[in-house]
Amino acid sequence: KNEVEQSPQNLTAQEGEFITINCSYSVGISALHWLQQHPGGGIVSLFMLSSGKKKHGRLIATINIQEKHSSLHITASHPRDSAVYICAVPQGGSNYKLTFGKGTLLTVNP
Amino acid sequence: NAGVTQTPKFQVLKTGQSMTLQCAQDMNHEYMSWYRQDPGMGLRLIHYSVGAGITDQGEVPNGYNVSRSTTEDFPLRLLSAAPSQTSVYFCASKPDGTIYNSPLHFGNGTRLTVT
Repeated sequence: KNEVEQSPQNLTAQEGEFITINCSYSVGISALHWLQQHPGGGIVSLFMLSSGKKKHGRLIATINIQEKHSSLHITASHPRDSAVYICAVPQGGSNYKLTFGKGTLLTVNP
Repeated sequence: NAGVTQTPKFQVLKTGQSMTLQCAQDMNHEYMSWYRQDPGMGLRLIHYSVGAGITDQGEVPNGYNVSRSTTEDFPLRLLSAAPSQTSVYFCASKPDGTIYNSPLHFGNGTRLTVT
């Protein structure tokens, strides 16, 4: 089974700060998902990446397959970025099952 | 284009009752899946399907049944509800039949309480 660890569990920032959320996993993978869960509970997919870096607006996701580590960065953070950020990786040996981290709760204060 | 639609949004059951959580998608997605989310734990896979007529178990399948008679619908049945099944349930789909290549699309969730 692929163990997924996210850090930090909770993060409080001031508006405008640069945010980094980390995700480490135990079994080598070929793709990783980053999700955002809004305070109301809805979940949206932010990125799916298998190598290097992807950017969407103020969000940047990077992955290092060799080190089994991914980071999600938010530049110029805003209160509307307040949410739980979740990473997910394939369960070891499966093409159909994902294992999810417990999430990082981000609060951005104005 | 409604995306992934889950019903109901809220449900209260008594122990031993049965019910079906509905999930429908209008995007012609091959892959559909059910997860439960409990405090302090990550999302956990209950069952998944890679196409009509094909289903398989996830991490926590006990007490739940699924079927996939059409591409659009993937209902989750609780056979005899137990308090341990109190949770928030999410349905998700994606275009292709594996967890690679494309992102997941989630429904808005069903909050289930079993008393």
